[in-house]
Amino acid sequence: EADIYQTPRYLVIGTGKKITLECSQTMGHDKMYWYQQDPGMELHLIHYSYGVNSTEKGDLSSESTVSRIRTEHFPLTLESARPSHTSQYLCASNRDVGGYTFGSGTRLTVV
Amino acid sequence: GESVGLHLPTLSVQEGDNSIINCAYSNSASDYFIWYKQESGKGPQFIIDIRSNMDKRQGQRVTVLLNKTVKHLSLQIAATQPGDSAVYFCAGGADGLTFGKGTHLIIQP
Repeated sequence: EADIYQTPRYLVIGTGKKITLECSQTMGHDKMYWYQQDPGMELHLIHYSYGVNSTEKGDLSSESTVSRIRTEHFPLTLESARPSHTSQYLCASNRDVGGYTFGSGTRLTVV
Repeated sequence: GESVGLHLPTLSVQEGDNSIINCAYSNSASDYFIWYKQESGKGPQFIIDIRSNMDKRQGQRVTVLLNKTVKHLSLQIAATQPGDSAVYFCAGGADGLTFGKGTHLIIQP
């Protein structure tokens, strides 16, 4: 049973639209992460947070932004979607040093 | 920075045989490693982890081996089953995790 939830699972949207991908976890984890993954490829870290009001950019440059106003919620926003943003976005969390729990992902297609 | 990679993009094994998936890393300061399994359309699922002060760790049907001398770790799956078919990722790091490219494990009947 998932303790970390991502919505929507699938999203097809037109170029230029603003979108927000939701991620929520019920485990009380301080650390949360957003990864971008193209089909069959490795995961690339785009954002992370070590707690409320903490956000950092990851290894892969991304035009998205994140916020962490509540411990359990870590939404990712694209102000103006482009076809190059088409990918799968995975949210994860962990308590400290330890295994990440991943959500099921949001598969985004920008047309 | 950390670099983590897998040797083979695809591994095909007979059902019932043992599978060995390999991974190499570059950062000797990495002290924690994880293997993840990702089935089609799903997020990665934790399989087993190992800390750098260990050489071997066993789970249910899975064993992870860590060789710090050559910066190599492997995932061994005993008696491979059709449900083991997935992409397997290794990840490592000292704080945040860096993921390698996956190996797609294909089970032949």
